[in-house]
Amino acid sequence: KQEVTQIPAALSVPEGENLVLNCSFTDSAIYNLQWFRQDPGKGLTSLLLIQSSQREQTSGRLNASLDKSSGRSTLYIAASQPGDSATYLCAVKRYSTLTFGKGTMLLVSP
Amino acid sequence: DAGVTQSPTHLIKTRGQQVTLRCSPKSGHDTVSWYQQALGQGPQFIFQYYEEEERQRGNFPDRFSGHQFPNYSSELNVNALLLGDSALYLCASTPTSGTEAFFGQGTRLTVV
Repeated sequence: KQEVTQIPAALSVPEGENLVLNCSFTDSAIYNLQWFRQDPGKGLTSLLLIQSSQREQTSGRLNASLDKSSGRSTLYIAASQPGDSATYLCAVKRYSTLTFGKGTMLLVSP
Repeated sequence: DAGVTQSPTHLIKTRGQQVTLRCSPKSGHDTVSWYQQALGQGPQFIFQYYEEEERQRGNFPDRFSGHQFPNYSSELNVNALLLGDSALYLCASTPTSGTEAFFGQGTRLTVV
């Protein structure tokens, strides 16, 4: 059974810091990995999708890497802003379903 | 493009009642999946519909059932509601040949 773990569970940083969120998964036979953002009580917004054959993807201040063999992914956020405050979830896809971690709750203070 | 839309946004039901949640997928998407997210947890896969049939199912009891219509919209039905069914229910859509999942804003179900 696939298990996804996200570390840390919560993170509080001052504005402007660069930060790294970690995601690990137990079964490397994945189709892709997707990072999402979730604001309190809201749905999920897709941030980045990395196919299993790819090593990284970038979108603006966000960069996600994937090491399938070791079962790890990282989400790098550059120059964090208060508007980045949210919960960040990673999910791995096998067959056609997603398995999620519990998320990292990020608070960026001005 | 309206994206994935879900209705209602909030719902309060009494234990033992039945509830129906609705989802309209993103334009061009024919596959709909439902997830349950308890407070402080990641979403858990309930089931997936494609071509009006349940294609995959997660570890949820038969009280959870669904339907997909010819226009690809979908319903999630939960019978005999329990307090533990209180959660945010999320709908996701993907195109047949696509890989990226898009989620709706969710329906917050509270069972009292």
